[in-house]
Amino acid sequence: QVQLQESGPGLVKPSETLSLTCAVSGYSISSGYYWGWIRQPPGKGLEWIGSIYHSGSTYYNPSLKSRVTISVDTSKNQFSLKLSSVTAADTAVYYCARLWGSGSYVVYWGQGTLVTVSS
Amino acid sequence: DIQMTQSPSSVSASVGDRVTITCRASQGISSWLAWYQQKPGKAPKLLIYAASSLQSGVPSRFSGSGSGTDFTLTISSLQPEDFATYYCQQANSFPHTFGQGTKLEIK
Repeated sequence: QVQLQESGPGLVKPSETLSLTCAVSGYSISSGYYWGWIRQPPGKGLEWIGSIYHSGSTYYNPSLKSRVTISVDTSKNQFSLKLSSVTAADTAVYYCARLWGSGSYVVYWGQGTLVTVSS
Repeated sequence: DIQMTQSPSSVSASVGDRVTITCRASQGISSWLAWYQQKPGKAPKLLIYAASSLQSGVPSRFSGSGSGTDFTLTISSLQPEDFATYYCQQANSFPHTFGQGTKLEIK
């Protein structure tokens, strides 16, 4: 059974960089699939942040592209999200996910982690 | 970006009712559409992919239809565990975008 677990600071100051890691168990990232990040502001809808293939090729949402970096560490079987220059608008629950169908659909989700941007 | 618009935004129904939720894309997306169910404090769960394919393990009372710009999710006979928020998501082009959600409440 594939399991994903997000970790990282729950509070980030404005203008700083948000950093999250997703640890994967039950499947080796190097074996394939796309892996991604999706966020959900409190009480609001879902936003696709970006994704990475096991080989390292990435796709980022253009609305966030200048601030986002997604990377993969196959040796630790984990992938990471960095979002720079955060503001209060980046406050959200951040989900990591395993994608399916050429990176189209989210089949496996992490439990989500709330990141609050506040001084 | 492709805009996804769901209707209604909320709906009240009773156990045993048949419920239909609609999702409209701002441009054609062929059958590149998924439906997710989300319960409070939980991650979403994939119900339907490719507009009408039922994800493994999802009860057959859930069904999806449509192509192009207009799609529907139907729950044939509501069960207590179905009360949740439902989202559509297009996967035709980047960035993949979600509808705003439809909250299904108990009448």
